[in-house]
Amino acid sequence: QKEVEQDPGPLSVPEGAIVSLNCTYSNSAFQYFMWYRQYSRKGPELLMYTYSSGNKEDGRFTAQVDKSSKYISLFIRDSQPSDSATYLCAMISGGGYSTLTFGKGTMLLVSP
Amino acid sequence: GAVVSQHPSWVICKSGTSVKIECRSLDFQATTMFWYRQFPKQSLMLMATSNEGSKATYEQGVEKDKFLINHASLTLSTLTVTSAHPEDSSFYICSARDLAGVTQYFGPGTRLTVL
Repeated sequence: QKEVEQDPGPLSVPEGAIVSLNCTYSNSAFQYFMWYRQYSRKGPELLMYTYSSGNKEDGRFTAQVDKSSKYISLFIRDSQPSDSATYLCAMISGGGYSTLTFGKGTMLLVSP
Repeated sequence: GAVVSQHPSWVICKSGTSVKIECRSLDFQATTMFWYRQFPKQSLMLMATSNEGSKATYEQGVEKDKFLINHASLTLSTLTVTSAHPEDSSFYICSARDLAGVTQYFGPGTRLTVL
């Protein structure tokens, strides 16, 4: 079983839809959870950063972490064509020498 | 804040030459920087972790003599691809971790094409 599982998509939605992106993980040591957005031929951009379980909202984006289920989500409200990108979940245990573990990314396509 | 730059953004070179890619954290100090490689439609593959003032730690299967990493200061790390071959053509992305030790910020990437 991979440490982090993420459906690669593509996920196609019409403009204005609510998008739900998800990752599951197996390592209970993960404490910090991030979502990155990557446009084609660009480096990943940090969108959301959450510590432990709970919700965090930033504009149209909401990140949820459920550590008991080892499940994290990113919701995008009122999706726009400019949201079309690959979304990568990432997590880390937080130890001094730990590194981010990434999901494979979900490609999102928002049509006008 | 938290901007990471990479230079060059795109490089084409002949087989057998060496290419150096720079990664800079512009508005924060980074004791740790990371180098990734990404093939089309694939996720990021960690190549090495670089700590300021010490030798880089390479992931299994990554040739340290081919991919030379230097992290001379808290804001600069370089990756040199030595004797590049067409199979080294890829998208190379660096990231820098802030001093709090958790969040990583990525550079825009460097596209290397070896002819």
